[in-house]
Amino acid sequence: KAGVTQTPRYLIKTRGQQVTLSCSPISGHRSVSWYQQTPGQGLQFLFEYFSETQRNKGNFPGRFSGRQFSNSRSEMNVSTLELGDSALYLCASSGGQVTGNTIYFGEGSWLTVV
Amino acid sequence: DAKTTQPPSMDCAEGRAANLPCNHSTISGNEYVYWYRQIHSQGPQYIIHGLKNNETNEMASLIITEDRKSSTLILPHATLRDTAVYYCMSGQGAQKLVFGQGTRLTINP
Repeated sequence: KAGVTQTPRYLIKTRGQQVTLSCSPISGHRSVSWYQQTPGQGLQFLFEYFSETQRNKGNFPGRFSGRQFSNSRSEMNVSTLELGDSALYLCASSGGQVTGNTIYFGEGSWLTVV
Repeated sequence: DAKTTQPPSMDCAEGRAANLPCNHSTISGNEYVYWYRQIHSQGPQYIIHGLKNNETNEMASLIITEDRKSSTLILPHATLRDTAVYYCMSGQGAQKLVFGQGTRLTINP
């Protein structure tokens, strides 16, 4: 069974640009959540989607947005990138019949803003 | 939200059991204890979770105290590939998934 898949794995962007990250959840999982991980702040919750609806949102500015498609795949977008947005962005899925609420992470997308 | 406390680092000899403690004294009655680990530059890997009873799977065992205020993750026969940062967390739901600083476990040959 394939795990959570994130693309791209690594990317470099310039300050002011925007970026879109993609996530394919584990088959059968309907909930997708996004996190930002930095050495200083640790793991921070961005938002969670379930059945194409945003269910919860963390404390991030409006430059961070996301969406979920009917096949449960999700994207997150960061506009007007700042140097401080450099981080590992993690997607996670949950909600399978067998796995229940256990959250499974993807390998992450390393974003560097220069 | 429930908060966890873990030692910042631990060492263990290869082949021995690694016992990683976690304090979660503010855990609520319906909150699970989850353990993840993260190897540098990779996403966190789920290890095991439990509510009240001890749990075991192919990766590890989880011992939860009767008052549920602490738990211990046991890697029965540690290998070099078990070197990672181990995170204990308690709670339910994606928005409550809070990783502390974790325990940096080093397995020594």
